[in-house]
Amino acid sequence: EAQVTQNPRYLITVTGKKLTVTCSQNMNHEYMSWYRQDPGLGLRQIYYSMNVEVTDKGDVPEGYKVSRKEKRNFPLILESPSPNQTSLYFCASSLRIGIGTEAFFGQGTRLTVV
Amino acid sequence: QKEVEQNSGPLSVPEGAIASLNCTYSDRGSQSFFWYRQYSGKSPELIMFIYSNGDKEDGRFTAQLNKASQYVSLLIRDSQPSDSATYLCAVTGSARQLTFGSGTQLTVLP
Repeated sequence: EAQVTQNPRYLITVTGKKLTVTCSQNMNHEYMSWYRQDPGLGLRQIYYSMNVEVTDKGDVPEGYKVSRKEKRNFPLILESPSPNQTSLYFCASSLRIGIGTEAFFGQGTRLTVV
Repeated sequence: QKEVEQNSGPLSVPEGAIASLNCTYSDRGSQSFFWYRQYSGKSPELIMFIYSNGDKEDGRFTAQLNKASQYVSLLIRDSQPSDSATYLCAVTGSARQLTFGSGTQLTVLP
């Protein structure tokens, strides 16, 4: 089954404790991205990747890191989480960025930083 | 100015009516336009995409695009309670990023 898999689904952590949210897709997609969703603000892009070893900042990259060592994986790293990073996070992948190319979303990760 | 703007709603329509959702975007180089539906606590799922001016119909859904006015809309005919969700407009801009609006919450009243 074609899918984007995120783990964990739920995470409660403390300020400053490094964490990684994993994202994996099995569709051989080139384009992957991370979004955070907060009430009233919609989906805001954190980082995106056009292909292996190619990553770029989105609209809200501060406090996050990513890597794209393999085509299928695109982990999101919070080196020193803070309470303002409490949010619902989605990973998405597309065959590429272009006309009519659909983005497929993972199930979401609800992160709480206390 | 936000790159992609939607009325946040909430928008309420009676069952069987037409729901009209609107979206404007600021980047004139935008190429592709998407409508996603998101149920509470779930992932967004694609309803339709459009990239040429005019209308595109798929079942009860019609997307309309007017690039000159930088405007895209979604019409839902014969609205059902199961259509109650948040509808997200998304645009692929000239910088090749997929940017979302903040969403419009739709409630279809039985």
